[in-house]
Amino acid sequence: AAGVIQSPRHLIKEKRETATLKCYPIPRHDTVYWYQQGPGQDPQFLISFYEKMQSDKGSIPDRFSAQQFSDYHSELNMSSLELGDSALYFCASSLSRRVEQYFGPGTRLTVT
Amino acid sequence: QQQVKQSPQSLIVQKGGIPIINCAYENTAFDYFPWYQQFPGKGPALLIAIRPDVSEKKEGRFTISFNKSAKQFSLHIMDSQPGDSATYFCAASKSSGTYKYIFGTGTRLKVLA
Repeated sequence: AAGVIQSPRHLIKEKRETATLKCYPIPRHDTVYWYQQGPGQDPQFLISFYEKMQSDKGSIPDRFSAQQFSDYHSELNMSSLELGDSALYFCASSLSRRVEQYFGPGTRLTVT
Repeated sequence: QQQVKQSPQSLIVQKGGIPIINCAYENTAFDYFPWYQQFPGKGPALLIAIRPDVSEKKEGRFTISFNKSAKQFSLHIMDSQPGDSATYFCAASKSSGTYKYIFGTGTRLKVLA
């Protein structure tokens, strides 16, 4: 079965640079969630989209922005990167109005 | 403040043992409780989930026990295998609205051969 696709899988950036993470949900899934997982920590909710509209916002820094496109893929844009942004970034998708979320393999961002 | 508290932080069992991982939540509005399994460098994979209208749910070797009055739920892994060695996260969500998950802090399980 098709799963959530994230790209790139690994990304190395320097401080103050920008990064764009992409998420392609499971076909027919119209809801996307972004989570950040620091080393040895639990995933923390960042932001979610339903039908291309932002549906909820968590502890997402103002330096980050995200959007969902007409094909339901989503992009997380991160600017002025800081060392503390180094983490695994997961995207999850779900079918509209269903609570089950399916996670992608993650993008490991390293800021040096 | 951790809204979902998970214990233990780590757990070592022998093959065939029954590891038990516990979670407690505070927000009574939560009504969906999934468990995820995560291998190093991989995304969390949905294992099993429960809603408050039942006290127990089984799927294969995995069982969730739910105590609504105590606001606690547990994962039991029957006949554990070395391949079950992973980090397990519990989570909680409302089943209406935006469904964002609040995760527990995770339990690193090691099953010895």
